[in-house]
Amino acid sequence: AQSVTQLDSHVSVSEGTPVLLRCNYSSSYSPSLFWYVQHPNKGLQLLLKYTSAATLVKGINGFEAEFKKSETSFHLTKPSAHMSDAAEYFCVVSAQWFGNEKLTFGTGTRLTIIP
Amino acid sequence: EPEVTQTPSHQVTQMGQEVILRCVPISNHLYFYWYRQILGQKVEFLVSFYNNEISEKSEIFDDQFSVERPDGSNFTLKIRSTKLEDSAMYFCASRPRVTGGSDNEAFFGQGTRLTVV
Repeated sequence: AQSVTQLDSHVSVSEGTPVLLRCNYSSSYSPSLFWYVQHPNKGLQLLLKYTSAATLVKGINGFEAEFKKSETSFHLTKPSAHMSDAAEYFCVVSAQWFGNEKLTFGTGTRLTIIP
Repeated sequence: EPEVTQTPSHQVTQMGQEVILRCVPISNHLYFYWYRQILGQKVEFLVSFYNNEISEKSEIFDDQFSVERPDGSNFTLKIRSTKLEDSAMYFCASRPRVTGGSDNEAFFGQGTRLTVV
């Protein structure tokens, strides 16, 4: 079984300040973890992924995330928010075990950027 | 860059009618999915498909739903008799593999917004 908890449904930050979107996961097997972003009326775009290589993962648009097995966390960060970062962000888990390939989404975090 | 293509982008249908949502996954991918997102709610898993058969389905995916990969390129979701509560954004996705490695992410299409009236 696998699950994802996104701890904040809504985060607001000022432009130029750091962003932290929190995600905790649960998985019976070694997980692959992903962050996807959804801009208004758009599809789902992959930001970054963790697949058992480096624990600190860098993605597009300056985002990065750190896999912490001891804390079962995969928080998304960005040093300096930009107006274009305003969107919905989804943390996603997938078990690294053949036959259990379902992607499980968190409930999403809406990021608002204050000018 | 290869992408997953979904058609139509928006479909309006009357309650009780059948609809077919179409997807063209990335050509060398092996795993295919349908997800849906009711307005304002979370993205929900519907079904996964591998080796020409359903590998997993959710409780949402009842007898009204079916999937097919008729010609080796298209991947369709059929809803036989639509209900008002089927109104949602439907996302198709494909993955090259699912086990560990550097290329197991899912690529999502832009979605089909289904409106049942």
